[in-house]
Amino acid sequence: SAVISQKPSRDICQRGTSLTIQCQVDSQVTMMFWYRQQPGQSLTLIATANQGSEATYESGFVIDKFPISRPNLTFSTLTVSNMSPEDSSIYLCSVVDSSYEQYFGPGTRLTVT
Amino acid sequence: GQNIDQPTEMTATEGAIVQINCTYQTSGFNGLFWYQQHAGEAPTFLSYNVLDGLEEKGRFSSFLSRSKGYSYLLLKELQMKDSASYLCAVREATDSWGKLQFGAGTQVVVTP
Repeated sequence: SAVISQKPSRDICQRGTSLTIQCQVDSQVTMMFWYRQQPGQSLTLIATANQGSEATYESGFVIDKFPISRPNLTFSTLTVSNMSPEDSSIYLCSVVDSSYEQYFGPGTRLTVT
Repeated sequence: GQNIDQPTEMTATEGAIVQINCTYQTSGFNGLFWYQQHAGEAPTFLSYNVLDGLEEKGRFSSFLSRSKGYSYLLLKELQMKDSASYLCAVREATDSWGKLQFGAGTQVVVTP
């Protein structure tokens, strides 16, 4: 199974600022994704991070708010822009391996004040 | 879209067995996952079923019946550390490989 790390593990940010979350995988993976889990809710897919091209966003999520980079097959970043308290969530990096099993990173717990 | 139903909560005694059922309705099925999630932590992968039948991994087993839209996760020899939320998730054939539809989760409480 892939080993996924994220930085930071948690942060408290002020309204209107931006935070960039990093995701590092210990092996090359074709498929990498970003999820959000709001308090008391289930996980929701934000976007697919495509290597070498623009991310593919799910309905309700836009690039201006959640820009994503994927410079190579082991690394991706998600930026949460112009934050509001409604963005307080756990943000999770996820990968699908060659067996089509899907794993999640440890998450970044974001609190916006 | 699809409905994924699982019980809200189950309680069992340490050393016992608990079976968590999950039913789903999908327009095109491409795999069913079970995850364990402790409070405040990320989901941990438990199993992935794409074909019918039972898969066993130590104390945990997962079963799938595609024709019935049904799966269960079996936890044997329960330990206190098994107290957690268990998430059933389905991958639809029409969605991207990474898009999973999650059930609301089943909170398992293990008592001494």
